[in-house]
Amino acid sequence: GAVVSQHPSRVICKSGTSVKIECRSLDFQATTMFWYRQFPKQSLMLMATSNEGSKATYEQGVEKDKFLINHASLTLSTLTVTSAHPEDSSFYICSARPGSVEQYFGPGTRLTVT
Amino acid sequence: KNQVEQSPQSLIILEGKNCTLQCNYTVSPFSNLRWYKQDTGRGPVSLTIMTFSENTKSNGRYTATLDADTKQSSLHITASQLSDSASYICVVSDSGTYKYIFGTGTRLKVLA
Repeated sequence: GAVVSQHPSRVICKSGTSVKIECRSLDFQATTMFWYRQFPKQSLMLMATSNEGSKATYEQGVEKDKFLINHASLTLSTLTVTSAHPEDSSFYICSARPGSVEQYFGPGTRLTVT
Repeated sequence: KNQVEQSPQSLIILEGKNCTLQCNYTVSPFSNLRWYKQDTGRGPVSLTIMTFSENTKSNGRYTATLDADTKQSSLHITASQLSDSASYICVVSDSGTYKYIFGTGTRLKVLA
């Protein structure tokens, strides 16, 4: 149980375009979902927290107009990287939380911006 | 400031050997401590979770310890296998926000 999927697993896009990453909780409802970014040889860095039906809360230094987060249902959250630049290339990981504590992580999405 | 520090940063051992990874934290108020294994290009997978009152928790060849007084934890891997090669991340959550505070990780390489 408690499986979280992400799609796509890898994506390559051209600089200036937008790309959408989906995060789904497959066998539970997630009241809260989290989006993390991970650069090579570094740990996960929280970008934003989203609660179903409300606006996401972004961490300091994360541009909310660049990283659009939608949590339209209890099983789906999306992260859209708008006007992507090469420095946005990273490994993006989501997690989903059904209650108040435990987070379940997705397998990650490798974004490469050329 | 809430912080989680891990050591060593990286470690190379021979297959079959044991190793111990360290985690020190300053998170307060403390809720629980988790150890995750992260294979390259994959999301973290939970190994153990310990609350304030637990001193040790095992999961197969993985044994985690927690000393809440000194705010230290360790992850001991017994009889290492090639598949243990991964990053191991210590994560502490506080009982106020329940946010996860990630350590910097230890990259383990097991050689044949």
